[in-house]
Amino acid sequence: AQKITQTQPGMFVQEKEAVTLDCTYDTSDQSYGLFWYKQPSSGEMIFLIYQGSYDEQNATEGRYSLNFQKARKSANLVISASQLGDSAMYFCAMRGQGGSEKLVFGKGTKLTVNP
Amino acid sequence: NAGVTQTPKFQVLKTGQSMTLQCAQDMNHEYMSWYRQDPGMGLRLIHYSVGAGITDQGEVPNGYNVSRSTTEDFPLRLLSAAPSQTSVYFCASSPDRASGNTIYFGEGSWLTVV
Repeated sequence: AQKITQTQPGMFVQEKEAVTLDCTYDTSDQSYGLFWYKQPSSGEMIFLIYQGSYDEQNATEGRYSLNFQKARKSANLVISASQLGDSAMYFCAMRGQGGSEKLVFGKGTKLTVNP
Repeated sequence: NAGVTQTPKFQVLKTGQSMTLQCAQDMNHEYMSWYRQDPGMGLRLIHYSVGAGITDQGEVPNGYNVSRSTTEDFPLRLLSAAPSQTSVYFCASSPDRASGNTIYFGEGSWLTVV
């Protein structure tokens, strides 16, 4: 069975600083994908970044980067230069060999950016 | 582009009532899923479909029924609503099984069962 663990229920960061949100995963699949989603207070799920298990380079999307350490089974999200609008829930999720129709999500981390 | 459309956005039900949450996508995606999100939890998979006429159970299927008669639509039926089904429901679709950034979520449906 696949499992995603996010150990930080809440995180605080000062505006313009960088923050790392932790995600560890457990799977026996050889091929898998890891996602990060942002959920603002309005409730929609916003895709941030994706890392495939065979991707050799860490994924980056603008201010977001994914620190992928395959041997440690971790996929931490790094947000650089935090903005007030980054305050939201952040979810790590995994797609296994079962396919993209069956994502497994962590419980999320609530990020608060302070001015 | 409509993307993934969920209706209704908000609904209050009485215990024992039945209802259907609608999900439609206009992107010709084969793969569709329903998730529920409870307070303090991530999304959990209820049911999913890999194409018209094919559905299967996810992690928390009890109390829910689905069908997929067309590629576009994937309705979720609550057979006899219970307070434990108070949750936010998300529908998602994707064009292939190995999607990276091409999984599309609807905006969510807030359901309260009293």
